[in-house]
Amino acid sequence: GENVEQHPSTLSVQEGDSAVIKCTYSDSASNYFPWYKQELGKRPQLIIDIRSNVGEKKDQRIAVTLNKTAKHFSLHITETQPEDSAVYFCAAIPKIGNKLVFGAGTILRVKS
Amino acid sequence: EPEVTQTPSHQVTQMGQEVILRCVPISNHLYFYWYRQILGQKVEFLVSFYNNEISEKSEIFDDQFSVERPDGSNFTLKIRSTKLEDSAMYFCASSATSGREEQFFGPGTRLTVL
Repeated sequence: GENVEQHPSTLSVQEGDSAVIKCTYSDSASNYFPWYKQELGKRPQLIIDIRSNVGEKKDQRIAVTLNKTAKHFSLHITETQPEDSAVYFCAAIPKIGNKLVFGAGTILRVKS
Repeated sequence: EPEVTQTPSHQVTQMGQEVILRCVPISNHLYFYWYRQILGQKVEFLVSFYNNEISEKSEIFDDQFSVERPDGSNFTLKIRSTKLEDSAMYFCASSATSGREEQFFGPGTRLTVL
């Protein structure tokens, strides 16, 4: 079945700097890749997603890139702010079924 | 904006007891899911539900677990005989059509098994 690996496990950046989180997936037929942000004690919330027919998607300070050949996708946050501090999870949905398979998460700390 | 709701927010139970976790998905959504997150770990899929039946389940979802949509609004997860290792945050989620679009998560129920 699908397996999603996520790196790094923790990431500390200075306010205003960029942050990049990377994920790889194993099932080449997976075709939907969301990113969720989870603040302490709260629900995961979708921040951006990308489908396999697109290579890049941007929403203000957040962008996601997808490399289908290499089976990896990345989250890019520019001009980071303290409120970006949270745990970020990447996920993939395999071709068969509709379950989200999550990565292990990245704790992002933005230092002001 | 419509949200998925879950009750209770925290449930404490003794090992071997039955618990029922309740969820109200977003009203026009058709696909429902349960996930769990053991403290400090990744979110893990348990089960998906569509058209009044289980569409997919993980190996975690053994005979101790069951799901039900008892009426037009609620979606429940029952654990028949809880174990210590069932202690986790349980999230309900729903999506409008297939899973290949946003799944909206509820706030979670923290289950503590003593």
